[in-house]
Amino acid sequence: EPEVTQTPSHQVTQMGQEVILRCVPISNHLYFYWYRQILGQKVEFLVSFYNNEISEKSEIFDDQFSVERPDGSNFTLKIRSTKLEDSAMYFCASSGDSLAKNIQYFGAGTRLSVL
Amino acid sequence: AQTVTQSQPEMSVQEAETVTLSCTYDTSESDYYLFWYKQPPSRQMILVIRQEAYKQQNATENRFSVNFQKAAKSFSLKISDSQLGDAAMYFCAYRSAGTQGGSEKLVFGKGTKLTVNP
Repeated sequence: EPEVTQTPSHQVTQMGQEVILRCVPISNHLYFYWYRQILGQKVEFLVSFYNNEISEKSEIFDDQFSVERPDGSNFTLKIRSTKLEDSAMYFCASSGDSLAKNIQYFGAGTRLSVL
Repeated sequence: AQTVTQSQPEMSVQEAETVTLSCTYDTSESDYYLFWYKQPPSRQMILVIRQEAYKQQNATENRFSVNFQKAAKSFSLKISDSQLGDAAMYFCAYRSAGTQGGSEKLVFGKGTKLTVNP
């Protein structure tokens, strides 16, 4: 069964450093999302991406964040200068065409630890 | 803005018995989707069941079923014949259908931790 793949599973970085979290969505999907979950809290929406541009972003998704689909398969989340409060689990999700776009399939997540 | 409330931070059930997890939501939209996601200790988010708001019939997936009460804005999950592998965090989530210009993002509740006792 097709699945969303995220790498790395765990990323440790120093405060102020740049990190790139990578995702390979399901191959025929068109809509891509990033969510984050701070330990013990609810899952929060960060950004959605369609047709090579951001379709929606939350208040969390400030200028330190950016997303990119550099080729036909990868979808990346970049944090330019990490802060301690960026430590969280980051989930990538994708959904299909208009008939199935309401179902978002999630990857296993990347645990980001900012020291 | 839409909100999702899960009033039970933790629940427990005996193996083979039935448990119901509660979820209420607030929206002014008439067309939307509701979901239950399961998050085991591995922390991957796994879709359990989905309900379209325009459908009156409650969704069912094997041992999992929902009680969708649109007027009451309630969407509970019933797990029958509970198994040890059902132990996880369960998140209720809302998504606009987008027909009225609504957002495609999922709005999650805070989750209910389900423990299954052998």
